[in-house]
Amino acid sequence: GAVVSQHPSWVICKSGTSVKIECRSLDFQATTMFWYRQFPKQSLMLMATSNEGSKATYEQGVEKDKFLINHASLTLSTLTVTSAHPEDSSFYICSAELGQYGYTFGSGTRLTVV
Amino acid sequence: DAKTTQPPSMDCAEGRAANLPCNHSTISGNEYVYWYRQIHSQGPQYIIHGLKNNETNEMASLIITEDRKSSTLILPHATLRDTAVYYCIAPLGGFKTIFGAGTRLFVKA
Repeated sequence: GAVVSQHPSWVICKSGTSVKIECRSLDFQATTMFWYRQFPKQSLMLMATSNEGSKATYEQGVEKDKFLINHASLTLSTLTVTSAHPEDSSFYICSAELGQYGYTFGSGTRLTVV
Repeated sequence: DAKTTQPPSMDCAEGRAANLPCNHSTISGNEYVYWYRQIHSQGPQYIIHGLKNNETNEMASLIITEDRKSSTLILPHATLRDTAVYYCIAPLGGFKTIFGAGTRLFVKA
């Protein structure tokens, strides 16, 4: 089946530094990918939609200059959390659209900012 | 996306069938219903999807009402490993998917 590989699975970084999270579609081409954030005991919150070769579309309230999304190829989308702060600590998940077959999700990245 | 409504939590005894309902009364004619589950600290896992007809796979069965306004996910013989949050979503293809709160299923020994 269609698999999205997400790395790293967890990362700890210092306040003020930047962290990059990668999502790769392994056996298919992902024209559209989505990035979610999830806080403990809460549902997934959509942050942005990225389309290969174009600018990402951000949801209301999500700072595009803080959460940089790049979808430069059909198999790779990245999310960079810039100047991270402790309140950015969360579980980040990517997903790729599979048309009629719904969506496939990465395994998630646990970000802890100290 | 059609809005979906699910009970916040359910309990089920191990070995018994778990029936998880979902209301999607605003669903349009070409929107599929998808079910995913999320085990703690993992990405959501696909379970099953359907449009009009009932569906069954190795994981579960999906019963969709004739008017398509609601559906039920059935785990025929729940195990402890089925304890998870189950999400019912009805995205319109090519558009963003919004997750509701889902149903937290507790399978008890």
